[in-house]
Amino acid sequence: ELKVEQNPLFLSMQEGKNYTIYCNYSTTSDRLYWYRQDPGKSLESLFVLLSNGAVKQEGRLMASLDTKARLSTLHITAAVHDLSATYFCAVVITGNQFYFGTGTSLTVIP
Amino acid sequence: KAGVTQTPRYLIKTRGQQVTLSCSPISGHRSVSWYQQTPGQGLQFLFEYFSETQRNKGNFPGRFSGRQFSNSRSEMNVSTLELGDSALYLCASSLVLADEKLFFGSGTQLSVL
Repeated sequence: ELKVEQNPLFLSMQEGKNYTIYCNYSTTSDRLYWYRQDPGKSLESLFVLLSNGAVKQEGRLMASLDTKARLSTLHITAAVHDLSATYFCAVVITGNQFYFGTGTSLTVIP
Repeated sequence: KAGVTQTPRYLIKTRGQQVTLSCSPISGHRSVSWYQQTPGQGLQFLFEYFSETQRNKGNFPGRFSGRQFSNSRSEMNVSTLELGDSALYLCASSLVLADEKLFFGSGTQLSVL
């Protein structure tokens, strides 16, 4: 069974700082997604990574994928309070079945 | 363009009852998936429907079932509810492309008392 692990599970960081969230998965896949979830809200798609070495950036967030290492990272640059949310990575092996990671709850402190 | 619509938003049931949740996908999306989200287990895949056929099924008991109609709308049914079924049930739709992302609805928060 595919396992998707994220670390850290909880992250508290000061505004202006940089940090990286890691997503490891146990089976070969070349489709990886990052989602954001605000409290009480649904999931919002952030990035779609489809090949080894893929890098996507949007604002203060940058995601990358290393399929050989089965690792994706979500890097946060100069964090701001609006980035406070839970971040999920998700991996797809076949079809349209998404395996989600445990989630990383990010709190950005002013 | 309207997003994924789920009804009802909140639901309270008692053990042993059954419940039906509804999901209307984004117009043009033919794939509908259901996920259960709990604090302990996270997001878990329930099943996926495409063109009224179940394509994939997660590791849930047979009490959990679903269906999809010809207009792509989907329903999920849970029979003989248990306390552990309390969760946020999320529906997601997508185009039928290999790399297409999921678009999620706001979910139905089910509480079983």
